[in-house]
Amino acid sequence: GAVVSQHPSRVICKSGTSVKIECRSLDFQATTMFWYRQFPKQSLMLMATSNEGSKATYEQGVEKDKFLINHASLTLSTLTVTSAHPEDSSFYICSARAPGGGGRETQYFGPGTRLLVL
Amino acid sequence: DQQVKQNSPSLSVQEGRISILNCDYTNSMFDYFLWYKKYPAEGPTFLISISSIKDKNEDGRFTVFLNKSAKHLSLHIVPSQPGDSAVYFCAASVGTASKLTFGTGTRLQVTL
Repeated sequence: GAVVSQHPSRVICKSGTSVKIECRSLDFQATTMFWYRQFPKQSLMLMATSNEGSKATYEQGVEKDKFLINHASLTLSTLTVTSAHPEDSSFYICSARAPGGGGRETQYFGPGTRLLVL
Repeated sequence: DQQVKQNSPSLSVQEGRISILNCDYTNSMFDYFLWYKKYPAEGPTFLISISSIKDKNEDGRFTVFLNKSAKHLSLHIVPSQPGDSAVYFCAASVGTASKLTFGTGTRLQVTL
């Protein structure tokens, strides 16, 4: 299957600082990438859809000024959590669309980034 | 509103037996369904998918069944192996938009 990487895998920061998470598609080009957040023992919640060369589309309830998304190339999308607070502590996962089974595109996920805001 | 539901939070199966994980959905517009496997602190791994024009798709030990009239799908793993122990998420999308809606997950434990 297609490979998606994320960096960093884990980050601890002080409240009020900004954190940037990178998502890369390693062996394919992705015009669309997705950012999810998962709280403990809960499902993955889509935060936003990142489109190469255009503005991201945010899900209802997600602050676009707090979670800045940049999709500058076909293989890289970044999520910046601005002025992070403890309630932003979560597991952030990106995914990218690639050709999958049955002729449909499938989302392949990165390994995730654990963010802890102190 | 939880459009994709996995009503069993956990399942324990003996090695070699069949594991059956269930998923129900409410949005009749969903036409593409996927199963993902997830280990703690890792991203989900794609397992298998099915389009609404089919009622069964098989890949090795994994088979997904879709019952559109009941808005129900299931994942069968046979034979189950200890390495299958993980959390399994079903997901659904409408058309080619690929915006996935995930279920809440079922933790599978395969015992020796």
